[in-house]
Amino acid sequence: DGGITQSPKYLFRKEGQNVTLSCEQNLNHDAMYWYRQDPGQGLRLIYYSQIVNDFQKGDIAEGYSVSREKKESFPLTVTSAQKNPTAFYLCASSIDNRNTEAFFGQGTRLTVV
Amino acid sequence: EDQVTQSPEALRLQEGESSSLNCSYTVSGLRGLFWYRQDPGKGPEFLFTLYSAGEEKEKERLKATLTKKESFLHITAPKPEDSATYLCAVQAVSGGYNKLIFGAGTRLAVHP
Repeated sequence: DGGITQSPKYLFRKEGQNVTLSCEQNLNHDAMYWYRQDPGQGLRLIYYSQIVNDFQKGDIAEGYSVSREKKESFPLTVTSAQKNPTAFYLCASSIDNRNTEAFFGQGTRLTVV
Repeated sequence: EDQVTQSPEALRLQEGESSSLNCSYTVSGLRGLFWYRQDPGKGPEFLFTLYSAGEEKEKERLKATLTKKESFLHITAPKPEDSATYLCAVQAVSGGYNKLIFGAGTRLAVHP
């Protein structure tokens, strides 16, 4: 089945640690996105990538980093510089950036302990 | 500023009681409006894309409509399994790329 797989489903981070969230898609989509979801707020764009080896900052990129070495994979690293990382993180993909009809993974809930 | 506002924040319906959810938007040149359904702890599930005023799309008990300033998601004779958060998003251009701007969602609870 085609889709987007995020792992892990739950992640706990100690203060000062970097953690990496995985996102893999087998939809052959060029564009991939990372969003953050907080209670009572709309999804906010962290980073996006239109093509392999290319990515741009979204609206709330500070404290996050990404890579896009393969078309299928777009991992997100939450660094210690992110002051409030506890949130629900969603990865999405679309055919390309001109068509943002996006399909989402099941999310990773990150909690700082 | 591009913006999406959804109302109400929460809606409680009895099974079979039809209603509508609202999504109002301000965007420079609408390129697409999207509806998603999100269950607790899950990723959003794509429902509909609307591109131009007057367009309508249906799926089972859901019907989405679009005007120049807002979209409605009509739910006809809802069932408890329709309980979820419904998200609206518009496609906007920012810094030379297309992005989705999301509303905060409407939490729908349908009781038997």
